[in-house]
Amino acid sequence: KQEVTQIPAALSVPEGENLVLNCSFTDSAIYNLQWFRQDPGKGLTSLLLIQSSQREQTSGRLNASLDKSSGRSTLYIAASQPGDSATYLCAVGADRGSTLGRLYFGRGTQLTVWP
Amino acid sequence: NAGVMQNPRHLVRRRGQEARLRCSPMKGHSHVYWYRQLPEEGLKFMVYLQKENIIDESGMPKERFSAEFPKEGPSILRIQQVVRGDSAAYFCASSPPRGTNEQFFGPGTRLTVL
Repeated sequence: KQEVTQIPAALSVPEGENLVLNCSFTDSAIYNLQWFRQDPGKGLTSLLLIQSSQREQTSGRLNASLDKSSGRSTLYIAASQPGDSATYLCAVGADRGSTLGRLYFGRGTQLTVWP
Repeated sequence: NAGVMQNPRHLVRRRGQEARLRCSPMKGHSHVYWYRQLPEEGLKFMVYLQKENIIDESGMPKERFSAEFPKEGPSILRIQQVVRGDSAAYFCASSPPRGTNEQFFGPGTRLTVL
């Protein structure tokens, strides 16, 4: 069964710092990996999607990498801003077998960026 | 292009009542997923549906819970005889019929059982 772990569980940094959030998963047979942002009491916003054949994806100040063989992904946030404060979730898409389609989620990293 | 829509956003039920949660996927999306987020826990997969078909319901409790995605209208997650442990946020996601399987989430329904 796929297990997804995110480290650290919480992070508090001053504005302007570059950040790295970590995600690890136990089964390397994945279809894709998504990073989401969740604000308190809200839904999930998709940030980046990496297909299993890709190594990284970039969007603005965000860069996500994927090392499928070692079961790791990192989300890099450049020049953090207070508006980046949220919980960041890593989700691994099951390989298209008996569990096709489902996402396995980590518990998230709660990020606070203070001015 | 409207995103995934869920209603109601908040639902309060007494123990033993029924809860009915609705999800309208994004336009052009034919795959719907339901996830549950219990307090202080991560999101857990419940069920995956396509139009008129349940593809994978292995994450859904076998009793009291059911889901459907009819040919017309929204997907419905139904919880019969709710108990306090059903209190959670229920999220729906949708994805297009082909491509990357990127999932887009709705705002969730927060169910409180008194």
